[in-house]
Amino acid sequence: GAVVSQHPSWVICKSGTSVKIECRSLDFQATTMFWYRQFPKQSLMLMATSNEGSKATYEQGVEKDKFLINHASLTLSTLTVTSAHPEDSSFYICSATNTGRSYNEQFFGPGTRLTVL
Amino acid sequence: LAKTTQPISMDSYEGQEVNITCSHNNIATNDYITWYQQFPSQGPRFIIQGYKTKVTNEVASLFIPADRKSSTLSLPRVSLSDTAVYYCLVGDGGGYQKVTFGIGTKLQVIP
Repeated sequence: GAVVSQHPSWVICKSGTSVKIECRSLDFQATTMFWYRQFPKQSLMLMATSNEGSKATYEQGVEKDKFLINHASLTLSTLTVTSAHPEDSSFYICSATNTGRSYNEQFFGPGTRLTVL
Repeated sequence: LAKTTQPISMDSYEGQEVNITCSHNNIATNDYITWYQQFPSQGPRFIIQGYKTKVTNEVASLFIPADRKSSTLSLPRVSLSDTAVYYCLVGDGGGYQKVTFGIGTKLQVIP
């Protein structure tokens, strides 16, 4: 149990286009999901906290108008990179916490590799 | 958020026990300690979690001293497939508080 999926697993797009990444909790409900970005040979950097039914909370330095997050249901959060540029190329990872569990265990998706040409 | 400090890298031969220590001097009373493993181009995978003393599961053990200012992940008899980055995280046990990833420890298992 406790599986998180992401779609797509990789995407290549042209500069200036928008890309949507989906994060789904397959067998549990997730009130809270987190979005991370990871550049090569670096650690995961938290971008935002996504709460079902409310606005996401963004980390300092992350542009909310560029990285649109929607958490419309307890099993789905989406991250849209708007007007993507080459510097947005990165590995995007989501995680979800199981609403029904009593301790802090985040379940991570497999990640989405975004390459902006 | 409690900050964690780990060695940047470690090397070990196959079959040996590996211990990775993490310092978290500012850990709060309700914080749990969680370790994750990450392979290249994959999301992190949960290894083990604990609050105090010792926790053991099928893949690892976690040792936490009484003051909880550090913790040690122990991997018994590592194999080449254990080559990965290991992250120590400290966060609220409630499950909703964000956590901060440190730089992690790159473990290289040598044949």
